[in-house]
Amino acid sequence: DVKVTQSSRYLVKRTGEKVFLECVQDMDHENMFWYRQDPGLGLRLIYFSYDVKMKEKGDIPEGYSVSREKKERFSLILESASTNQTSMYLCASSPGLAGHQETQYFGPGTRLLVL
Amino acid sequence: AQTVTQSQPEMSVQEAETVTLSCTYDTSESDYYLFWYKQPPSRQMILVIRQEAYKQQNATENRFSVNFQKAAKSFSLKISDSQLGDAAMYFCAYGGATNKLIFGTGTLLAVQP
Repeated sequence: DVKVTQSSRYLVKRTGEKVFLECVQDMDHENMFWYRQDPGLGLRLIYFSYDVKMKEKGDIPEGYSVSREKKERFSLILESASTNQTSMYLCASSPGLAGHQETQYFGPGTRLLVL
Repeated sequence: AQTVTQSQPEMSVQEAETVTLSCTYDTSESDYYLFWYKQPPSRQMILVIRQEAYKQQNATENRFSVNFQKAAKSFSLKISDSQLGDAAMYFCAYGGATNKLIFGTGTLLAVQP
Protein backbone atom coordinates (compact mmCIF):
# COMPACT_ATOMS: atom_id res chain seq x y z
CA ASP A 1 0.00 0.00 0.00
CA VAL A 2 1.04 3.54 -0.71
CA LYS A 3 1.89 5.43 2.41
CA VAL A 4 1.98 9.20 2.54
CA THR A 5 2.93 10.71 5.88
CA GLN A 6 2.95 14.28 7.11
CA SER A 7 5.19 15.50 9.88
CA SER A 8 2.47 16.91 12.14
CA ARG A 9 -1.26 16.41 12.57
CA TYR A 10 -1.72 19.67 14.45
CA LEU A 11 0.45 22.76 14.49
CA VAL A 12 0.10 26.13 16.23
CA LYS A 13 2.29 29.01 15.07
CA ARG A 14 2.55 32.75 15.59
CA THR A 15 2.03 35.37 12.90
CA GLY A 16 5.29 36.07 11.11
CA GLU A 17 6.90 32.72 11.92
CA LYS A 18 8.45 30.60 9.18
CA VAL A 19 6.59 27.30 9.02
CA PHE A 20 7.71 24.02 7.44
CA LEU A 21 5.26 21.26 6.61
CA GLU A 22 6.88 18.00 5.59
CA CYS A 23 5.47 15.21 3.48
CA VAL A 24 7.05 11.83 2.73
CA GLN A 25 5.85 9.08 0.41
CA ASP A 26 7.26 5.57 0.28
CA MET A 27 6.18 4.37 -3.18
CA ASP A 28 8.75 6.03 -5.43
CA HIS A 29 6.10 8.32 -6.91
CA GLU A 30 7.19 11.02 -9.33
CA ASN A 31 4.43 13.51 -8.58
CA MET A 32 3.73 15.21 -5.28
CA PHE A 33 1.15 17.84 -4.43
CA TRP A 34 0.25 20.28 -1.69
CA TYR A 35 -3.40 21.27 -1.21
CA ARG A 36 -5.18 23.54 1.16
CA GLN A 37 -8.65 22.46 2.38
CA ASP A 38 -11.13 25.03 3.67
CA PRO A 39 -14.85 24.56 4.45
CA GLY A 40 -17.00 25.38 1.46
CA LEU A 41 -13.99 25.72 -0.84
CA GLY A 42 -12.93 22.11 -1.27
CA LEU A 43 -9.30 21.36 -2.03
CA ARG A 44 -7.21 23.99 -3.75
CA LEU A 45 -3.81 23.22 -5.23
CA ILE A 46 -0.94 25.27 -3.84
CA TYR A 47 2.09 23.71 -5.57
CA PHE A 48 3.02 20.47 -7.20
CA SER A 49 6.22 18.75 -8.24
CA TYR A 50 6.73 16.21 -11.02
CA ASP A 51 10.40 15.51 -10.35
CA VAL A 52 13.16 16.23 -7.89
CA LYS A 53 13.95 19.93 -7.78
CA MET A 54 11.05 20.63 -10.14
CA LYS A 55 7.98 22.56 -9.04
CA GLU A 56 5.01 24.30 -10.53
CA LYS A 57 2.58 26.77 -9.07
CA GLY A 58 -0.96 25.67 -8.49
CA ASP A 59 -4.01 27.85 -8.08
CA ILE A 60 -3.09 29.61 -4.83
CA PRO A 61 0.73 29.80 -4.50
CA GLU A 62 0.92 33.26 -2.94
CA GLY A 63 2.57 33.21 0.47
CA TYR A 64 3.94 29.70 0.01
CA SER A 65 7.03 28.06 -1.40
CA VAL A 66 8.08 24.43 -1.75
CA SER A 67 11.18 22.32 -1.77
CA ARG A 68 11.84 18.89 -3.22
CA GLU A 69 15.44 17.87 -2.70
CA LYS A 70 14.70 14.13 -2.61
CA LYS A 71 12.13 12.17 -4.56
CA GLU A 72 10.27 10.94 -1.51
CA ARG A 73 10.04 14.27 0.34
CA PHE A 74 8.09 17.41 -0.53
CA SER A 75 8.09 20.36 1.85
CA LEU A 76 5.68 23.27 2.01
CA ILE A 77 7.07 26.49 3.44
CA LEU A 78 5.12 29.42 4.77
CA GLU A 79 7.73 32.18 4.65
CA SER A 80 5.89 34.45 7.10
CA ALA A 81 2.76 32.86 8.48
CA SER A 82 -0.40 34.91 8.53
CA THR A 83 -3.77 34.26 10.15
CA ASN A 84 -5.42 33.73 6.75
CA GLN A 85 -3.16 30.69 6.30
CA THR A 86 -4.95 28.91 9.12
CA SER A 87 -6.24 25.82 7.36
CA MET A 88 -5.94 22.08 6.77
CA TYR A 89 -3.01 21.19 4.54
CA LEU A 90 -3.05 17.95 2.58
CA CYS A 91 -0.14 16.34 0.78
CA ALA A 92 -0.66 13.82 -2.03
CA SER A 93 1.41 11.77 -4.43
CA SER A 94 0.85 9.91 -7.69
CA PRO A 95 3.04 7.59 -9.79
CA GLY A 96 3.73 9.99 -12.67
CA LEU A 97 3.11 7.73 -15.66
CA ALA A 98 3.07 9.77 -18.84
CA GLY A 99 -0.24 10.22 -20.64
CA HIS A 100 -2.27 8.72 -17.84
CA GLN A 101 -4.43 10.49 -15.32
CA GLU A 102 -3.71 8.84 -12.06
CA THR A 103 -5.16 8.33 -8.65
CA GLN A 104 -3.62 10.56 -6.04
CA TYR A 105 -2.82 9.15 -2.61
CA PHE A 106 -3.24 11.47 0.33
CA GLY A 107 -1.55 11.99 3.66
CA PRO A 108 -3.53 12.45 6.89
CA GLY A 109 -3.33 16.24 6.76
CA THR A 110 -1.86 18.93 8.98
CA ARG A 111 -4.25 21.27 10.71
CA LEU A 112 -2.40 24.58 11.08
CA LEU A 113 -3.54 27.36 13.37
CA VAL A 114 -1.79 30.73 13.02
CA LEU A 115 -2.34 33.06 15.96
CA ALA B 1 -10.83 26.18 -17.48
CA GLN B 2 -12.35 23.09 -16.01
CA THR B 3 -14.73 23.32 -13.07
CA VAL B 4 -16.38 20.81 -10.77
CA THR B 5 -19.64 21.55 -8.96
CA GLN B 6 -21.15 19.67 -6.04
CA SER B 7 -24.48 21.32 -5.32
CA GLN B 8 -25.31 19.40 -2.13
CA PRO B 9 -23.23 20.65 0.80
CA GLU B 10 -24.87 18.12 3.15
CA MET B 11 -26.87 14.93 2.73
CA SER B 12 -28.38 12.44 5.14
CA VAL B 13 -29.36 8.81 4.67
CA GLN B 14 -30.79 6.09 6.87
CA GLU B 15 -28.64 3.05 7.48
CA ALA B 16 -29.29 0.36 4.82
CA GLU B 17 -30.88 2.87 2.45
CA THR B 18 -29.51 4.21 -0.84
CA VAL B 19 -28.23 7.72 -1.41
CA THR B 20 -27.00 9.55 -4.50
CA LEU B 21 -24.46 12.36 -4.42
CA SER B 22 -24.42 14.74 -7.37
CA CYS B 23 -21.50 16.14 -9.31
CA THR B 24 -21.36 18.13 -12.51
CA TYR B 25 -18.30 19.35 -14.35
CA ASP B 26 -17.39 21.55 -17.23
CA THR B 27 -14.61 20.85 -19.71
CA SER B 28 -13.75 21.13 -23.37
CA GLU B 29 -11.41 18.12 -23.22
CA SER B 30 -12.53 14.83 -24.72
CA ASP B 31 -10.25 12.53 -22.73
CA TYR B 32 -10.34 12.76 -18.96
CA TYR B 33 -10.96 10.91 -15.72
CA LEU B 34 -13.40 11.47 -12.91
CA PHE B 35 -12.96 10.46 -9.30
CA TRP B 36 -14.89 10.24 -6.06
CA TYR B 37 -12.82 10.54 -2.91
CA LYS B 38 -13.99 9.91 0.65
CA GLN B 39 -12.64 11.77 3.69
CA PRO B 40 -13.89 10.23 6.97
CA PRO B 41 -13.81 12.45 10.09
CA SER B 42 -10.19 13.00 11.16
CA ARG B 43 -8.99 10.33 8.77
CA GLN B 44 -7.12 10.12 5.51
CA MET B 45 -8.75 10.87 2.15
CA ILE B 46 -9.13 7.70 0.08
CA LEU B 47 -10.26 6.90 -3.43
CA VAL B 48 -13.77 5.47 -3.68
CA ILE B 49 -14.14 5.04 -7.41
CA ARG B 50 -12.78 6.30 -10.70
CA GLN B 51 -14.18 6.51 -14.22
CA GLU B 52 -12.42 6.93 -17.54
CA ALA B 53 -14.42 9.19 -19.83
CA TYR B 54 -13.89 7.01 -22.88
CA LYS B 55 -15.57 4.06 -21.15
CA GLN B 56 -19.33 4.03 -21.53
CA GLN B 57 -19.81 1.46 -18.79
CA ASN B 58 -20.37 2.95 -15.36
CA ALA B 59 -17.73 2.04 -12.79
CA THR B 60 -18.72 0.06 -9.70
CA GLU B 61 -16.90 -0.88 -6.51
CA ASN B 62 -18.98 -3.10 -4.26
CA ARG B 63 -21.76 -0.90 -2.82
CA PHE B 64 -20.53 2.18 -4.69
CA SER B 65 -21.47 2.91 -8.28
CA VAL B 66 -21.51 5.92 -10.54
CA ASN B 67 -23.94 7.27 -13.10
CA PHE B 68 -21.71 8.85 -15.72
CA GLN B 69 -23.55 10.96 -18.27
CA LYS B 70 -20.86 12.34 -20.57
CA ALA B 71 -23.09 14.53 -22.71
CA ALA B 72 -24.69 16.08 -19.65
CA LYS B 73 -21.28 16.31 -17.89
CA SER B 74 -22.71 14.64 -14.85
CA PHE B 75 -21.01 12.13 -12.54
CA SER B 76 -23.13 11.07 -9.58
CA LEU B 77 -22.17 8.57 -6.88
CA LYS B 78 -24.69 6.04 -5.61
CA ILE B 79 -24.11 4.35 -2.27
CA SER B 80 -26.29 1.30 -1.73
CA ASP B 81 -27.04 -0.34 1.62
CA SER B 82 -25.52 2.62 3.48
CA GLN B 83 -23.45 1.81 6.54
CA LEU B 84 -22.41 3.95 9.50
CA GLY B 85 -18.85 3.84 8.20
CA ASP B 86 -19.94 5.62 5.03
CA ALA B 87 -20.36 8.86 6.98
CA ALA B 88 -17.75 11.20 5.55
CA MET B 89 -17.06 14.16 3.31
CA TYR B 90 -17.18 13.10 -0.33
CA PHE B 91 -15.29 14.98 -3.02
CA CYS B 92 -15.77 14.73 -6.74
CA ALA B 93 -12.65 15.42 -8.80
CA TYR B 94 -11.74 15.90 -12.46
CA GLY B 95 -8.42 14.93 -14.02
CA GLY B 96 -7.63 15.98 -17.56
CA ALA B 97 -4.56 16.51 -19.70
CA THR B 98 -2.31 17.44 -16.79
CA ASN B 99 -1.52 15.43 -13.68
CA LYS B 100 -3.50 17.90 -11.58
CA LEU B 101 -6.93 17.20 -10.15
CA ILE B 102 -9.71 19.75 -9.81
CA PHE B 103 -11.95 19.15 -6.81
CA GLY B 104 -15.50 20.10 -6.03
CA THR B 105 -16.45 21.69 -2.71
CA GLY B 106 -17.56 18.42 -1.17
CA THR B 107 -20.73 16.84 0.20
CA LEU B 108 -20.92 15.91 3.88
CA LEU B 109 -22.84 12.66 4.22
CA ALA B 110 -24.45 11.72 7.52
CA VAL B 111 -25.72 8.17 8.09
CA GLN B 112 -28.55 7.83 10.60
CA PRO B 113 -28.82 4.56 12.57
